[in-house]
Amino acid sequence: SQTIHQWPATLVQPVGSPLSLECTVEGTSNPNLYWYRQAAGRGLQLLFYSVGIGQISSEVPQNLSASRPQDRQFILSSKKLLLSDSGFYLCAWSLGQVGEQFFGPGTRLTVL
Amino acid sequence: GNSVTQMEGPVTLSEEAFLTINCTYTATGYPSLFWYVQYPGEGLQLLLKATKADDKGSNKGFEATYRKETTSFHLEKGSVQVSDSAVYFCALDFGNEKLTFGTGTRLTIIP
Repeated sequence: SQTIHQWPATLVQPVGSPLSLECTVEGTSNPNLYWYRQAAGRGLQLLFYSVGIGQISSEVPQNLSASRPQDRQFILSSKKLLLSDSGFYLCAWSLGQVGEQFFGPGTRLTVL
Repeated sequence: GNSVTQMEGPVTLSEEAFLTINCTYTATGYPSLFWYVQYPGEGLQLLLKATKADDKGSNKGFEATYRKETTSFHLEKGSVQVSDSAVYFCALDFGNEKLTFGTGTRLTIIP
């Protein structure tokens, strides 16, 4: 069966510090991968998605970036965090079937 | 553009009450429609889906019917339980492998 992992589960970082969140998927090959952010009291915002290694599409302009160095690994990064980057970050995968996205447990990021 | 509008929360109900969470959408074309659920501290899980007009999705006692004429996909359950307390998201997909989510509705069930 397929599983998706995210780490860390929680993170507290100062403004201006770098960020690296990791997501890995097991039990499947060539998945589509997604990064979402869920800000307090708001819905899900799609940040990045990837259909293959090295292929990243950005949905919104921001100071975050994403990379996919391996088929089942998706990394969310920032060189300098802003207060507005605080939120709950969710990674998801799919095999392209309509709507069938599977979500990881999320990382709660607090920028102080 | 495509968008999803959900009932504003939070919603608080007593156990065994009837639940409706409204969801309407704006879209050009005929998307597939979904309800996802997020339990406290967890990621989202697919609850149910419908891929064409008049389809009814159902799971765990929840139901939603794809109504093209009213562009709606309201979530219903006849008798809620405390364990149904969660945030519910309506979403749509046009087959471009991306989901558009509503803002979510927080549901709290009190014993």
